[in-house]
Amino acid sequence: ILNVEQSPQSLHVQEGDSTNFTCSFPSSNFYALHWYRWETAKSPEALFVMTLNGDEKKKGRISATLNTKEGYSYLYIKGSQPEDSATYLCAPLNFGNEKLTFGTGTRLTIIP
Amino acid sequence: SAVISQKPSRDICQRGTSLTIQCQVDSQVTMMFWYRQQPGQSLTLIATANQGSEATYESGFVIDKFPISRPNLTFSTLTVSNMSPEDSSIYLCSVEDEGSSYEQYFGPGTRLTVT
Repeated sequence: ILNVEQSPQSLHVQEGDSTNFTCSFPSSNFYALHWYRWETAKSPEALFVMTLNGDEKKKGRISATLNTKEGYSYLYIKGSQPEDSATYLCAPLNFGNEKLTFGTGTRLTIIP
Repeated sequence: SAVISQKPSRDICQRGTSLTIQCQVDSQVTMMFWYRQQPGQSLTLIATANQGSEATYESGFVIDKFPISRPNLTFSTLTVSNMSPEDSSIYLCSVEDEGSSYEQYFGPGTRLTVT
């Protein structure tokens, strides 16, 4: 079982501000890292799948970076909006264990 | 992407009873999974639902407690047996995108409260 840590556990951000949070995971046998957004009463939604060290992906105001050598990924949200309020989950995959292991998530609340 | 529905969306059950959760996908998929999220915990994989054979359970989960059926490539059920308050969780099914790096699509979840 992979040890996946996300920080902070929860975060309150003023609307319009930018924010970021972290996912840490074991760097050995790394294959891919997934980011999901889970809004209350909805299905978890895939944001990014990242595989290469130094990878940077972007979807609108949300972007993510990946460092596979040191085992971390950052998720950035620029100009937060109320609809960004959700729990953000990361899940790494290793070679030889092709199942997602989820962190406990960062619960983001945007204050209007 | 696959569209997944689950029934029921929520339920309140008494301890000692069982609940069966249904998961329906709008297309045929090979890999289907069942997860749970207990309050304050991470999303944890219970088992992989295999079509035509017994499910593959993760460490800490057993068939007697969580029997799973997968009669075809679009449908699966998870039963939570002999429930206790510790089984209060959100239960989700998911399917794997066969063209991607193991990306998964999730159902909306079943929120179970055991009293």
